[in-house]
Amino acid sequence: NAGVTQTPKFQVLKTGQSMTLQCAQDMNHEYMSWYRQDPGMGLRLIHYSVGAGITDQGEVPNGYNVSRSTTEDFPLRLLSAAPSQTSVYFCASTGTGGVNGYTFGSGTRLTVV
Amino acid sequence: ELKVEQNPLFLSMQEGKNYTIYCNYSTTSDRLYWYRQDPGKSLESLFVLLSNGAVKQEGRLMASLDTKARLSTLHITAAVHDLSATYFCAVVPNTGNQFYFGTGTSLTVIP
Repeated sequence: NAGVTQTPKFQVLKTGQSMTLQCAQDMNHEYMSWYRQDPGMGLRLIHYSVGAGITDQGEVPNGYNVSRSTTEDFPLRLLSAAPSQTSVYFCASTGTGGVNGYTFGSGTRLTVV
Repeated sequence: ELKVEQNPLFLSMQEGKNYTIYCNYSTTSDRLYWYRQDPGKSLESLFVLLSNGAVKQEGRLMASLDTKARLSTLHITAAVHDLSATYFCAVVPNTGNQFYFGTGTSLTVIP
């Protein structure tokens, strides 16, 4: 049981490049989210999904796209990377209702130069 | 705008001492979560509090929830170095399913 798997763990991008952060979970969780973590700001929600085919914006969605074609996968796409997107990104999932709280992936440390 | 405020933001305490971290939130919620994060690592679930008056304890940590005051506390008893980490609370509003995180409390336990 792998839980929530994020790839890559580290990435350096040049301004304007695009890339996809991968997230997969094997717990049959319906609810998945992407957060970014910046010093002094806690975790801020980028996008979330309550099930396959359903996504919605969080607090800081600009510059990011998501899709949810399967229950297991929830990739995050950076359309045109900017230095302001330098951050640590966490994917998390939880079962219906989220009663037990999130299970987090190990994170992706992204630097945009 | 929903706010989740933790204080203190930074805490340096001596081994063996007691202290409390506070988490205030601005929405109606019966669900509050505490997480621990070690430097460079992911977040690990500590406590799940699902009703007013809920109290959970694990080792030297005890968490409680007062939904009427919109306040949760994380109490540390007789701190040890291994408790050094950043602690986050997260709230789920009764009207939705999104988790809103506090800014975290960075705890350092010194000998």
